[in-house]
Amino acid sequence: SAVISQKPSRDICQRGTSLTIQCQVDSQVTMMFWYRQQPGQSLTLIATANQGSEATYESGFVIDKFPISRPNLTFSTLTVSNMSPEDSSIYLCSVENTGASTDTQYFGPGTRLTVL
Amino acid sequence: SQKIEQNSEALNIQEGKTATLTCNYTNYSPAYLQWYRQDPGRGPVFLLLIRENEKEKRKERLKVTFDTTLKQSLFHITASQPADSATYLCAFHGSGNTGKLIFGQGTTLQVKP
Repeated sequence: SAVISQKPSRDICQRGTSLTIQCQVDSQVTMMFWYRQQPGQSLTLIATANQGSEATYESGFVIDKFPISRPNLTFSTLTVSNMSPEDSSIYLCSVENTGASTDTQYFGPGTRLTVL
Repeated sequence: SQKIEQNSEALNIQEGKTATLTCNYTNYSPAYLQWYRQDPGRGPVFLLLIRENEKEKRKERLKVTFDTTLKQSLFHITASQPADSATYLCAFHGSGNTGKLIFGQGTTLQVKP
């Protein structure tokens, strides 16, 4: 299993500012995923982050708005840039369960972001 | 587009009863479905996975079925307990991309003592 921590656990930010969320895993993993969960909604994949390459973004998400870093195999950051109230959401990182034969995932506890 | 739907209404049941949650999907034939549990303020936790060639999968008090004809998975919790109260999410992998999970919106289960 993998233990994932995220910082901060929650934050309240002003419109127009940026917030960087950190995700730390207790083991080396190839792929890390960033999800958004808006209030009352399902999880939506923002991007996939592989170490040593540019993140792959899903439709509707762009690098300028959600830049991602993946400096090593245990760490990633997601920045929410130029925030608006619509960015208020829970942001979660996850990693694959590489010990299994199928692609289940372990999730971090999430970062609850409120934009005023 | 690939879509996965769960009952958005909360499910309220009495302790000891069996809870049944439904997951329907359209425009896709996933090789397997996954079920996760999410507690408030926490990330989802993997519970069970069922493959398309499996009709049923069990784990302790949990049972999952997978009907590829109906395009539906049912998630059962038998002898439910208040500690089972949580939101339950189903998910499958979208076509072509390893690791990309498509989630339903989740169903909140409340088990009353």
